[in-house]
Formats: sequence, structure tokens, C-alpha cells
Amino acid sequence: DAKTTQPPSMDCAEGRAANLPCNHSTISGNEYVYWYRQIHSQGPQYIIHGLKNNETNEMASLIITEDRKSSTLILPHATLRDTAVYYCIVRVARGSTLGRLYFGRGTQLTVWP
Amino acid sequence: SAVISQKPSRDICQRGTSLTIQCQVDSQVTMMFWYRQQPGQSLTLIATANQGSEATYESGFVIDKFPISRPNLTFSTLTVSNMSPEDSSIYLCSIRDSPNQPQHFGDGTRLSIL
Repeated sequence: DAKTTQPPSMDCAEGRAANLPCNHSTISGNEYVYWYRQIHSQGPQYIIHGLKNNETNEMASLIITEDRKSSTLILPHATLRDTAVYYCIVRVARGSTLGRLYFGRGTQLTVWP
Repeated sequence: SAVISQKPSRDICQRGTSLTIQCQVDSQVTMMFWYRQQPGQSLTLIATANQGSEATYESGFVIDKFPISRPNLTFSTLTVSNMSPEDSSIYLCSIRDSPNQPQHFGDGTRLSIL
């Protein structure tokens, strides 16, 4: 699985958009980009994933560059409850039963009032 | 998504003892995994729990230290054997319903070894 690089920490004002970057320059054609977050004392929570098209769900939007070497997770209106460590992970997904998740160090996002 | 329950949620154990952690899912799932999260660190995959066969361990983890069982498609156990203070971690169960679905996590077992 490809490696990812994320900034160790970011902060954001409540109500503003939080844009979390991730570099995955060695990503392969069959690897998806997954985003998870871990709020203190809880297990990681799935947010969103994508292959090459931009994706949006009720939690966030995922923007993947055309060359797929980087992506950005967007929380459109951050709240205090979005304070967490955010993990960007790439792995083989579709059609594979062996695509395990390997976590990097993630980005600590702090949302302040 | 499926509901994942881990027992115990936390424990304090004496060094040299063993503890078995249970993971129960409310529906059948294809894949089950065990992770470890040491204090202040990210998650590390220990092994994939295979139903009806031996678990597949990641580099650095061995069956003698972390025996795993998976008797059916809804249940798995992880045993932490001959514990030392270095085993103090959060141990998390994770599932994937099908190959094309995201992986989901339980809230973990917080283990402290004295």
C-alpha cells in the first residue's frame, strides 16, 4: 500500500471550512483514498473514500487531484465536535479481500470557538 | 453498518498474566482484524482473523504472543499472553462487511499492565 504524508496538526475556527491535505505520490491505479478520524477515547470512524472522482457525503467532501498524487478532505462547517485526529489511508479496495488498512500518524485537527 | 462490541472495555492486569479480549458483531462479516494503539501512537495492524483457519499475522506479531480465534462470522477473540508493561495499549477490533465496503472499528479495550 502507498504511503501518505499529512501535516501533524491544523486548527480551524468553528463554522469555517476545514481543509485537510494529504500527499500520496506513490499511489497505484487500483488504490483508493480513505479518510478516517479518531476522536479521543473512541475507535476510528470512517468518513469517506474515493478513487479518482471527487466525492461528497453527509460528513465531508473529498477532492482528489487529477494525477491522484494528493487529496483534500473538506469539512464544510467545522464544529467543536470535529476536533480529532484525521487519517488519510490508501489501499486496494475494489475486488480485493486482502486490502487491509495501514494507519500513518494523521493530522490533529483542533476546532476552536 | 454493523455494531461492534468489545469486552472488556478496559482492564488492569499484572505482568506475566494473559487476557482474552472478545469482539462480537451483530451481523455476519467477511473480514475481522485486530489492531493495537500504543499510548500517543497511531494504530498498528496485528493480524487478520480468518474464520475456520489460523490468523494471518503482520510482521512483528506472533501467534504465541497474540493468539486469535474466530469460530464464526460474528465473533473473534484476541489473547495478549504473558503481559509486560510494554503491552499497555488500546486493542481494537475492526470489521469489513464485504470487499467493497469501508472498514469499521469498535471502541477498543484499554489495557494497562502493572
